[in-house]
Amino acid sequence: EVQLVESGGGLVQPGGSLRLSCAPSGFTFSSHWMSWVRQAPGRGLEWVASINQGGSEKNYVDSVKGRFTISRDNAKQSLYLQMNSLSAEDTAVYYCARYIPGTIDYWGQGTLVTVSS
Amino acid sequence: DVVMTQSPLSLPVTLGQPASISCRSSQSLVYSDGNTYLNWFQQRPGQSPRRLIYEVSNRDSGVPDRFSGSGSGTDFTLKISRVEAEDVGVYYCMQGVQWPLTFGQGTKLEIK
Repeated sequence: EVQLVESGGGLVQPGGSLRLSCAPSGFTFSSHWMSWVRQAPGRGLEWVASINQGGSEKNYVDSVKGRFTISRDNAKQSLYLQMNSLSAEDTAVYYCARYIPGTIDYWGQGTLVTVSS
Repeated sequence: DVVMTQSPLSLPVTLGQPASISCRSSQSLVYSDGNTYLNWFQQRPGQSPRRLIYEVSNRDSGVPDRFSGSGSGTDFTLKISRVEAEDVGVYYCMQGVQWPLTFGQGTKLEIK
């Protein structure tokens, strides 16, 4: 059974940084693209970033380019999202998701990031 | 960016009655490999999203057959033949044909 477990969310001040982690299980992590998708309180879904199997190809939504970095450690079976220069607009539940070209087939339970002073 | 537009945004439905959600894309979702990368997700209250349909009309394992997807090019539809109480939630379409991946605004289905 595919499982994706996020961690690292919490309260951070504007301008601060946070690193999210995702621990996958139930599939061969190193063989799959992975993604982060977020959902602001009471709002819809927004794709944030994706990374290919080896980490050589990364894509970001414009609003996070230069501030967020997606990465992975296949040896440790972990996916990360380093978030810098956070603002209130980044407050959201962040979902780790498995990406297969053209679709997202599995989602984690999400971790809440709150940016507030 | 490909803009995904859903309608209606709110959908009150009587139990046992059909429901239909439209999703239109600002560009064709036919990829160079010939596949059409249009997906539908369900998000029940307090839960993570769950994929229902991929490539327009392919149901995921465990998805009841009362859910069906159709469409082509830029115009797509999710239909529920007979709404049940467990179908309450928000439904999103998503295109996977180009970066950035984009979602529709979501359609909130509720029971009348």
